[in-house]
Amino acid sequence: GAVVSQHPSRVICKSGTSVKIECRSLDFQATTMFWYRQFPKQSLMLMATSNEGSKATYEQGVEKDKFLINHASLTLSTLTVTSAHPEDSSFYICSAFGTAYYEQYFGPGTRLTVT
Amino acid sequence: SQQGEEDPQALSIQEGENATMNCSYKTSINNLQWYRQNSGRGLVHLILIRSNEREKHSGRLRVTLDTSKKSSSLLITASRAADTASYFCATGSGGGADGLTFGKGTHLIIQP
Repeated sequence: GAVVSQHPSRVICKSGTSVKIECRSLDFQATTMFWYRQFPKQSLMLMATSNEGSKATYEQGVEKDKFLINHASLTLSTLTVTSAHPEDSSFYICSAFGTAYYEQYFGPGTRLTVT
Repeated sequence: SQQGEEDPQALSIQEGENATMNCSYKTSINNLQWYRQNSGRGLVHLILIRSNEREKHSGRLRVTLDTSKKSSSLLITASRAADTASYFCATGSGGGADGLTFGKGTHLIIQP
């Protein structure tokens, strides 16, 4: 099956700093990657969809200038949380879709804590 | 948003019993998927059922889909302590290239 990794798995940063999270498809080419956010004891919410080589499409209410997404290659997408605030503390999960498969494959998630 | 609802929100049963979780959604779908999430971990894909299917089995899992009622159920038979987790349904309006809309989830606890 397809494998998706995320790095780092956990990160703690100070308020006002930026943090980058990587999402990689290890054994397939991902034409589309998705970023989800999950607050404690809540469900996953889609933040944005990114297609390789083009700008990400953000869901309503998600600030594109705060959550920068880059999908520069068919195996890597990055999410940068800029000027992080404590309320950005959450579990961020990516998923990847490639034309070789019918479904999305999820990464293991990144726990972000902003102090 | 077409975020679905799951019920119950929490379910506690004895090991060996069957667990049933329900999911409702609001708009037309192409497929519906069920995922498991252990505390603080990533998602494990359990099963995908297409909109033209009514029932699907995978091991101890049985999923039904009623598109007329916009609802689905997940049955786990002969539950085990290792089944303790949160279970989410997720709907897709297209193929895998569309973002998924997740339900609120059911937290299942299997008492040994």
